[in-house]
Amino acid sequence: DTEVTQTPKHLVMGMTNKKSLKCEQHMGHRAMYWYKQKAKKPPELMFVYSYEKLSINESVPSRFSPECPNSSLLNLHLHALQPEDSALYLCASSQDLGNGFATDTQYFGPGTRLTVL
Amino acid sequence: GESVGLHLPTLSVQEGDNSIINCAYSNSASDYFIWYKQESGKGPQFIIDIRSNMDKRQGQRVTVLLNKTVKHLSLQIAATQPGDSAVYFCAETGFQKLVFGTGTRLLVSP
Repeated sequence: DTEVTQTPKHLVMGMTNKKSLKCEQHMGHRAMYWYKQKAKKPPELMFVYSYEKLSINESVPSRFSPECPNSSLLNLHLHALQPEDSALYLCASSQDLGNGFATDTQYFGPGTRLTVL
Repeated sequence: GESVGLHLPTLSVQEGDNSIINCAYSNSASDYFIWYKQESGKGPQFIIDIRSNMDKRQGQRVTVLLNKTVKHLSLQIAATQPGDSAVYFCAETGFQKLVFGTGTRLLVSP
C-alpha cells in the first residue's frame, strides 16, 4: 500500500480565516513533505519533516505553519493567507530522508485544492 | 509534435504509438531520478525510478534511460493509450530533497 491521504479535498477560505490541512500515511515512512503547486508548474517544496522533526523550511512565510503530531500525521495550519496562496497543496512521504543526494522515493497524496478569497 | 511557449511543452501522439518524453537535469551529483505522472486534479503518481549506477530500467510498458554524460533522462512509453494522457515530471535528487523538472504534457488521441 502506497497511499497518502489528504483532507479536505477542496478548501475555500477568506484572508482572515484560520484553517488546517491534514495528511496521513500508514506506510511506516519517517519523512513527510508539504509541497505547493500552481497550475502548469511543478510542485515546489515547502517543508520537510524527518522523524517528526522539522528538517527543511524552504523560506516559507509564517502564515503557513506545519506540525507533525506523530509519525503518521502531518498538518499545515493556515492563517491570514493571501489570494496568491491559492494553489494545490500536496503532501508526500518517503521511507526516510535519504543520505545527502540519495533521496528515497516520495509518494504523493491527491492534494488539497485551496482557494483564498 | 512538440511545442514550447507560455504553456507546458506538449507531446501529441496517436493511440498505439510509442512516446518519448525527455528531461535535462542539472546536478551531476544527483544519485537518483524518478518519473511521475500527474493527471488533472490529482497528485503526482510514481511511475519508475533509476539510480545513477544504471543507464536503463524497464517497467510495464515504460522504460527510463539515463545518460549521465549529457545529463539527460528520458521516459519511453510503449503502445501509448488514452489513459496515459497526463503531465509527466522528471525529478532528480537535490540535497535531501527532490528537484522537479518543468513537466511535459502528453496528449493521446484515439
